Amino acid sequence: DTGVSQNPRHKITKRGQNVTFRCDPISEHNRLYWYRQTLGQGPEFLTYFQNEAQLEKSRLLSDRFSAERPKGSFSTLEIQRTEQGDSAMYLCASSSRGLAKNIQYFGAGTRLSVL
Amino acid sequence: KQEVTQIPAALSVPEGENLVLNCSFTDSAIYNLQWFRQDPGKGLTSLLLIQSSQREQTSGRLNASLDKSSGRSTLYIAASQPGDSATYLCAVEGRLLSDQGAQKLVFGQGTRLTINP
Repeated sequence: DTGVSQNPRHKITKRGQNVTFRCDPISEHNRLYWYRQTLGQGPEFLTYFQNEAQLEKSRLLSDRFSAERPKGSFSTLEIQRTEQGDSAMYLCASSSRGLAKNIQYFGAGTRLSVL
Repeated sequence: KQEVTQIPAALSVPEGENLVLNCSFTDSAIYNLQWFRQDPGKGLTSLLLIQSSQREQTSGRLNASLDKSSGRSTLYIAASQPGDSATYLCAVEGRLLSDQGAQKLVFGQGTRLTINP
C-alpha cells in the first residue's frame, strides 16, 4: 500500500484550456474526497464519492468542474475553460468505512497554475 | 456554517522552546477534531485525532486538547526542533448530509511555524 497518489504533481496551463487531474486512493478505500487549497489558506471541501457514486458537491464546484470515479477506483477531476482563479492546490483524500475513526489520508496534491 | 480560526497565523521561536497553537470553531456539534502538518508544497499528514468524547490526545512531543463547549482546541509542542518547522492545520469533522457515516473536514487557515536553530 503506497498511500494516496495524485498526478500530475504540477500543471501549468493557459487560461481557457481544460485540465484533468487523477487521484488513486488507497486500495479498498471506498470513500474519496477532493479538496482545494489556495495560497495561505486551509483546504476547502469540493466533493465526495462513496464507491462510484458522487454523493455530495460543494457550492465551490461550479459547472466548469466535473469529477468522476468510474468503477469506484481512481478518480478524475476536470476543470473546463480554466480561469486564473482556479490556480490552487487540489488535494485528494480517501478513507474506509471499516476504519473506526474514518481517518482521511491525503495525497501530495496537484498544484495548478493558470496563466 | 462551521468556521475554524487558527491563531497565530505565523510563529517563529528558537529551538527547544515549548509552544502552543490555538484553534477555535463556531459550531460545537463536531464529531472529531484533527491536527495536520503540511510541509511546503506537500500534502497533509495527520498528527493527532481527538474524538468528540475525548479531552486530549498525545503522540510523542505533541499533545492536543479539545474543549467542545468553548469551541477550542490547542496543540502543544514540547521541546521544539527545527524539523518541526511546517504549517499546522486544525480541522473539524462535519457530517455529510448524503452519507451519515462519512465526514468532510473544515479547516482553519493554518499556523506557519518556524523553529530557529
